[in-house]
Amino acid sequence: DGGITQSPKYLFRKEGQNVTLSCEQNLNHDAMYWYRQDPGQGLRLIYYSQIVNDFQKGDIAEGYSVSREKKESFPLTVTSAQKNPTAFYLCASSNQGVREKAFFGQGTRLTVV
Amino acid sequence: GIQVEQSPPDLILQEGANSTLRCNFSDSVNNLQWFHQNPWGQLINLFYIPSGTKQNGRLSATTVATERYSLLYISSSQTTDSGVYFCAVEGTQGGSEKLVFGKGTKLTVNP
Repeated sequence: DGGITQSPKYLFRKEGQNVTLSCEQNLNHDAMYWYRQDPGQGLRLIYYSQIVNDFQKGDIAEGYSVSREKKESFPLTVTSAQKNPTAFYLCASSNQGVREKAFFGQGTRLTVV
Repeated sequence: GIQVEQSPPDLILQEGANSTLRCNFSDSVNNLQWFHQNPWGQLINLFYIPSGTKQNGRLSATTVATERYSLLYISSSQTTDSGVYFCAVEGTQGGSEKLVFGKGTKLTVNP
């Protein structure tokens, strides 16, 4: 089945630790995105990539890093510099060339312990 | 950047009722999409509708781009319609292709 897969579903991080969230898509989409959602809030853009080996900062990129070495993969690293990382993280992809619908993964819930 | 406001923030309905959700945006847009987030957090794309009207079963949406708003209609609501509905837009300014989300409307449909 075509879609976007995020893993893990739940993740616990200790203070000062880096963690990497996985996002894989088999929709052959060019563009991929990472959003953060806090309770009762909308989605805020962290990073996005329109093509392999290229990505841009979104509105809240501080404390996060990404890579786009393959078209189907866009991992997000939450670094120790992110002071408030507990949140729900959502990955999305779209075929930007024709501005089609964006599709989302199931999300990863990150908690700092 | 472009601003997106959704109303109402919360809506409680009895099963079978109809409802209208509104999305206002502050600038012209290339792209407008409606999403439903279920209680488990999954976002489902309902409509891609930068202008005009579309219908899909009990749901329909209308975007009046010249007046900078979009409406999502839900008819004969069911308990499974509960969740948060988000409007997301891509502005024409700046050259960047990214969706900006509103804060959502939380819909609760009671049996």
